[in-house]
Amino acid sequence: GESVGLHLPTLSVQEGDNSIINCAYSNSASDYFIWYKQESGKGPQFIIDIRSNMDKRQGQRVTVLLNKTVKHLSLQIAATQPGDSAVYFCAEKKAGNMLTFGGGTRLMVKP
Amino acid sequence: DAGVTQSPTHLIKTRGQHVTLRCSPISGHKSVSWYQQVLGQGPQFIFQYYEKEERGRGNFPDRFSARQFPNYSSELNVNALLLGDSALYLCASSLAASTSNQPQHFGDGTRLSIL
Repeated sequence: GESVGLHLPTLSVQEGDNSIINCAYSNSASDYFIWYKQESGKGPQFIIDIRSNMDKRQGQRVTVLLNKTVKHLSLQIAATQPGDSAVYFCAEKKAGNMLTFGGGTRLMVKP
Repeated sequence: DAGVTQSPTHLIKTRGQHVTLRCSPISGHKSVSWYQQVLGQGPQFIFQYYEKEERGRGNFPDRFSARQFPNYSSELNVNALLLGDSALYLCASSLAASTSNQPQHFGDGTRLSIL
């Protein structure tokens, strides 16, 4: 498959550990945020979203935290598995339905 | 249920040519957005269409155009191709347009290479 993100920041974790991926967003008026996972040769896959009136949302093995004061978003993955290895993007919704994506973080899980 | 489908998966063109990329949204989704993803970067917004009307446009030249059909499928057209147009072109669909916060779901894209 084709590699996505050849020069991205990389987070390397041991299988079974928890992972935290961070993202700074740009617009204080953004009201909706999404985390996507992108594997090599594929399109971004929706993981979890959060509205600006919330500061935490949990899914299956994932938690998103939103700090509007410092415009910071994080994705926590519990008990990281080899299948979690991918590039992770945060995206913010500004005007209309347009998403603005961050630069991405590559997560590598060591068995 | 089928997700967002895009065709073709890969395409090779030469400078100056034009290209048409196609997208079928998830059944029931009425909004389609197009993004360009250059290797090593996040996707960049090109267009959004909802109910066959353009609802948003990113910072791309007029060589880029799109349309949405009555069945909500969409085409992205790029004229006078440049080397810098080489990228992965992603289509995303969502239930509605801008009035509600709905996640966009992406297809696997069309890899366009310009020689």
